[in-house]
Amino acid sequence: QSVLTQPPSVSGAPGQRVTISCTGSSSNIGAGYDIHWYRQLPGTAPKLLIYGNSNRPSGVPDRFSASRSGTSPSLAITGLQAEDEADYYCQSYDSSLSAVVFGGGTKLTVL
Amino acid sequence: QVQLQESGPGLEKPSQTLSLTCTVSGGSISSGRYYWSWIRQPAGKGLEWIGRIYISGSTNYNPSLKSRVTISVDTSKNQFSLKLSSVTAADTAVYYCARGRWLQSGPHFDYWGQGTLVTVSS
Repeated sequence: QSVLTQPPSVSGAPGQRVTISCTGSSSNIGAGYDIHWYRQLPGTAPKLLIYGNSNRPSGVPDRFSASRSGTSPSLAITGLQAEDEADYYCQSYDSSLSAVVFGGGTKLTVL
Repeated sequence: QVQLQESGPGLEKPSQTLSLTCTVSGGSISSGRYYWSWIRQPAGKGLEWIGRIYISGSTNYNPSLKSRVTISVDTSKNQFSLKLSSVTAADTAVYYCARGRWLQSGPHFDYWGQGTLVTVSS
């Protein structure tokens, strides 16, 4: 059971927009710790997609964006493409656990 | 371009100690800006942070694994290592090493190794 909660799956047609939520608590997201997002293609290592709540590393298309609102930040992907099919994870820090925490992951299916 | 590469046995027997090494290339592990972490992922499941080390040797571990984990660093070889003792089948996972940027607002991982599968079985 993950400390951060994500929907197990989301889907959308090519060209559409999808969002993935990440719910935490007062000891992690609610405490103001940054949210980061990773994308994991099948059989590969996770790759940093968004850091510091809303910043894209060099090379990440602007189709990917993220925002935070209270204890439920979200990742948005616009202009869905077939190659976006992957697992997406949110990550933060938990002060009660003194540990890095991840969401359980969301599998994105492009219909 | 920084690259990380895990190495170590792919099979461990129950109750033994799992040992993995991460070799960093394309950058110095001694750069004071980063922490070096181990993260694991059981098949079909999510990510679990194991712990981190700084070049000074200072470590922090996930409380759920703390009693069994040791992370060390060898700056002369640009490597850091993981030891997990008393392993069981529940420790079977892909183990990743990663570079962490640890800010006051929390850490994130900007470079990851490709991962190595460790199976615990007799």
